Amino acid sequence: QQQVKQSPQSLIVQKGGISIINCAYENTAFDYFPWYQQFPGKGPALLIAIRPDVSEKKEGRFTISFNKSAKQFSLHIMDSQPGDSATYFCAATFSGTYKYIFGTGTRLKVLA
Amino acid sequence: GAVVSQHPSRVICKSGTSVKIECRSLDFQATTMFWYRQFPKQSLMLMATSNEGSKATYEQGVEKDKFLINHASLTLSTLTVTSAHPEDSSFYICSALLSEQFFGPGTRLTVL
Repeated sequence: QQQVKQSPQSLIVQKGGISIINCAYENTAFDYFPWYQQFPGKGPALLIAIRPDVSEKKEGRFTISFNKSAKQFSLHIMDSQPGDSATYFCAATFSGTYKYIFGTGTRLKVLA
Repeated sequence: GAVVSQHPSRVICKSGTSVKIECRSLDFQATTMFWYRQFPKQSLMLMATSNEGSKATYEQGVEKDKFLINHASLTLSTLTVTSAHPEDSSFYICSALLSEQFFGPGTRLTVL
């Protein structure tokens, strides 16, 4: 019940295309869902986050879609750029503890 | 704002020695900090939750006598890997909790 399943494991997208990464969770008590971007040898950086009271959140080229009934959420990267090539992690947590359960990660490569 | 630093960024040590890694929140105070370990191409594994002024809470399977955590102030937590062995070689990442977790840049530990 504590797992967050992330797919795909790796993704290759052409420049200008849309990158889509999906996550699914079991525990309905989770109430905060952040996405992190990590470059090799660096710490994760927060990209965007959502709470279950909204179905979509957009910040620039990054959009989170949230489906509460399906217990799924996804990250969409519009107009993907080579600089977006990184590993992306979804996470879920309870806002009382902020102890994150991370997905397994998706390695994105955007071809120039 | 919300910057977290780690020192050192890289450390190489001999087997049997101890290594201390510092995690600082530079522009905010953090009652709670987290320590993670990350193996190549894998997700972040939570090792322990560090609370200022109290004992750290370790995740199942993490040896507390091996990985000593001290959170002596609201801006500093330290992780000491005692009697390090080659299998302790990894990327160690800390985070500090404000409204969410803000991650440090990580420390690459190599034990020879």
